[in-house]
Amino acid sequence: IAGITQAPTSQILAAGRRMTLRCTQDMRHNAMYWYRQDLGLGLRLIHYSNTAGTTGKGEVPDGYSVSRANTDDFPLTLASAVPSQTSVYFCASSLEGRAYEQYFGPGTRLTVT
Amino acid sequence: GQNIDQPTEMTATEGAIVQINCTYQTSGFNGLFWYQQHAGEAPTFLSYNVLDGLEEKGRFSSFLSRSKGYSYLLLKELQMKDSASYLCAVRDSNYQLIWGAGTKLIIKP
Repeated sequence: IAGITQAPTSQILAAGRRMTLRCTQDMRHNAMYWYRQDLGLGLRLIHYSNTAGTTGKGEVPDGYSVSRANTDDFPLTLASAVPSQTSVYFCASSLEGRAYEQYFGPGTRLTVT
Repeated sequence: GQNIDQPTEMTATEGAIVQINCTYQTSGFNGLFWYQQHAGEAPTFLSYNVLDGLEEKGRFSSFLSRSKGYSYLLLKELQMKDSASYLCAVRDSNYQLIWGAGTKLIIKP
């Protein structure tokens, strides 16, 4: 793979179900991010990780969790999905010291019914 | 609170010039960024301003005035492929990016 990938591309999920969105990058970037993008709103940061083994909360972390066991992977888990989590989710990564230049994955379109 | 404002939509003609404005109010300032996002795709990095003035990169230029909390993205010699949303983002005192809702630019022949 080259760059940053996300899976699945899209998903329809019943409310109350657990779901993990996957994100993998092969650029050896230290920092990784999860955003959600909703119509009429800017990208909103959910969680971030500055380096493997560390994570932090962004602007809208409630209902989501992340882990960063290694440099390449940064999964996002919805423990019990709710309809308000219907959104497009983008994973991004950046080099340490160049957090302004983020590389985005193709996105996951999630619908919670 | 933190706020980034940019027009929702703009229309311009192929070959012309368009200026997309962005004003911001954030807790701290550590740079302003412009990203391009085509419909259904991921955002891609365009430019970065941390000092006042104009940064030029080919057909695209970005301007920053920190005292006014203002930036603009200037696109010259517009091409149909420039039809996209343009996202303004500011890095705050915690070094996190705060994003505007984006400006949808429609290019007409």
